[in-house]
Amino acid sequence: DAKTTQPPSMDCAEGRAANLPCNHSTISGNEYVYWYRQIHSQGPQYIIHGLKNNETNEMASLIITEDRKSSTLILPHATLRDTAVYYCIATGNQFYFGTGTSLTVIP
Amino acid sequence: DAGVIQSPRHEVTEMGQEVTLRCKPISGHNSLFWYRQTMMRGLELLIYFNNNVPIDDSGMPEDRFSAKMPNASFSTLKIQPSEPRDSAVYFCASREKTGYYSPLHFGNGTRLTVT
Repeated sequence: DAKTTQPPSMDCAEGRAANLPCNHSTISGNEYVYWYRQIHSQGPQYIIHGLKNNETNEMASLIITEDRKSSTLILPHATLRDTAVYYCIATGNQFYFGTGTSLTVIP
Repeated sequence: DAGVIQSPRHEVTEMGQEVTLRCKPISGHNSLFWYRQTMMRGLELLIYFNNNVPIDDSGMPEDRFSAKMPNASFSTLKIQPSEPRDSAVYFCASREKTGYYSPLHFGNGTRLTVT
């Protein structure tokens, strides 16, 4: 698994886009980038993943740089319910979670 | 689909007692992971199985911890004897291992308190 680096915390105004960065400069060619979030002590919730192309689903968009050394998770219209810890993982088989980014959506 | 099912949701036990946590993965998933989460150490990978076979147990903290997967639909994590420092939330997760792209799906966890 590639090591990932995320800012420890971020704020975002409600209704605005939340852009959460992740650095994974040592990612190997067959490792995917996954994003999860965890609200309170619930189980981590899968959001999105990708290899090298940008991805979008009903929850978020994932932008991966061309060199694959970093990515950004975009929540297009953040709501208060998006307040959570967001984890970025670069892996093929094992899912090691770092400390993530604590996102606070402000009314 | 019912998702990953863990039981019990809460467990309170006294130091020295045996504790067994249970997990039922999503039907059709052939990889299963056990995690432990504490404020101090975050979310730690303890062990994972592929096709019921333990692949990596390097995260298991001590010999007091053991995990089994007797069949594709059931796994247990056992702590014997339990200690107060084992207090944590334990998560089970499963994925369909058909390649590198399938995501991991988590259960709601078991909150263990050892007094």
